[in-house]
Amino acid sequence: KQEVTQIPAALSVPEGENLVLNCSFTDSAIYNLQWFRQDPGKGLTSLLLIQSSQREQTSGRLNASLDKSSGRSTLYIAASQPGDSATYLCAVPTGTASKLTFGTGTRLQVTL
Amino acid sequence: EAGVTQFPSHSVIEKGQTVTLRCDPISGHDNLYWYRRVMGKEIKFLLHFVKESKQDESGMPNNRFLAERTGGTYSTLKVQPAELEDSGVYFCASSRGPGIYEQYFGPGTRLTVT
Repeated sequence: KQEVTQIPAALSVPEGENLVLNCSFTDSAIYNLQWFRQDPGKGLTSLLLIQSSQREQTSGRLNASLDKSSGRSTLYIAASQPGDSATYLCAVPTGTASKLTFGTGTRLQVTL
Repeated sequence: EAGVTQFPSHSVIEKGQTVTLRCDPISGHDNLYWYRRVMGKEIKFLLHFVKESKQDESGMPNNRFLAERTGGTYSTLKVQPAELEDSGVYFCASSRGPGIYEQYFGPGTRLTVT
């Protein structure tokens, strides 16, 4: 059974800092890994999708890496801004139905 | 291209009542998924449609939940009768295909059972 863990559970950083969010998964037989952000009371916004054959994916100030063999992914956020404050979730599709298994998320607060 | 839409955005019902949630996927997406997040827990899979067929309903909690996707377009998720533990946020997602394809999520329906 796939299990996804995210650490830390919460993180508070001052504006401008670079930060890393971690995601680990137990079953390395994944198609891809998705990073999402969720703002309070809102839905999920897909940030990055990194395929199992890729090692990195970049979008603006975000960079996601994937190491399938060790069951880890990191989301690097450069030059953090208060608007980055949200909960960040990682998820992996599992099984033939490709249902996503989610981590519990990292709640990020970027302070002025 | 319109995104995944869900209706209603918020529903408050009493225990024992019935509620029907609706999801409209992105046009052309044959794969439709329902997920749920209950308070303090991670988002969990409920079921997966390919067109109008249920591909995987292993996450449905019990027979009080009924999902349909008539015609392979929009989907409904009915809870009858609702219990207190059904409170949470229900998300719908769609994708072009399984596996390697990205899933796009709707804004969710917040269900509160009192």
